[in-house]
Amino acid sequence: AQSVTQLGSHVSVSEGALVLLRCNYSSSVPPYLFWYVQYPNQGLQLLLKYTTGATLVKGINGFEAEFKKSETSFHLTKPSAHMSDAAEYFCAVRGTGANSKLTFGKGITLSVRP
Amino acid sequence: EAGVVQSPRYKIIEKKQPVAFWCNPISGHNTLYWYLQNLGQGPELLIRYENEEAVDDSQLPKDRFSAERLKGVDSTLKIQPAELGDSAVYLCASSLDGMGADTQYFGPGTRLTVL
Repeated sequence: AQSVTQLGSHVSVSEGALVLLRCNYSSSVPPYLFWYVQYPNQGLQLLLKYTTGATLVKGINGFEAEFKKSETSFHLTKPSAHMSDAAEYFCAVRGTGANSKLTFGKGITLSVRP
Repeated sequence: EAGVVQSPRYKIIEKKQPVAFWCNPISGHNTLYWYLQNLGQGPELLIRYENEEAVDDSQLPKDRFSAERLKGVDSTLKIQPAELGDSAVYLCASSLDGMGADTQYFGPGTRLTVL
């Protein structure tokens, strides 16, 4: 079975500081990996996804993530945090066949201090 | 282009009452999903439709939950009777064909409170 681990439930950074949100996955097949963002009282919005090819994936709002197979990781980064980045972030994995459903981590709440 | 539409946005009911949620997916999307999101958790799949067919309902508690997607477009999720533990956000999502890295687009959800 596939799974996603997002360590910690809350990350706080200063405006302009680096954002790093960690995600590790477990999958028996080469996975598809996703990061979603959820603002209060809204649905989830796709930030970026890894399918195949280039392991550094660029997404919306200046976010990017790097797929590292050897570390089974897909950490999300942004060089400079903005107040509008405050939200909840979910990492998700999807395999194929019997593992084709999207499996989410528990999410991480990002706070941005002025 | 309109996104995934869900209604109602909020629902408060007493335990043992029935409740229904409605979802209208993005036009042209064949695959529709219902997810349950508990507080502080990521969404968990309840059921997935390919057109009118429920292709994965293994996580749907069938003793009290039911769903339908008539004509392969709109969908309704029902709980009867509701229990206190059903308080959560119910999310609907849709995607083009449900294959591979196909992006799922989420609606705003229905927040259910069972008293």
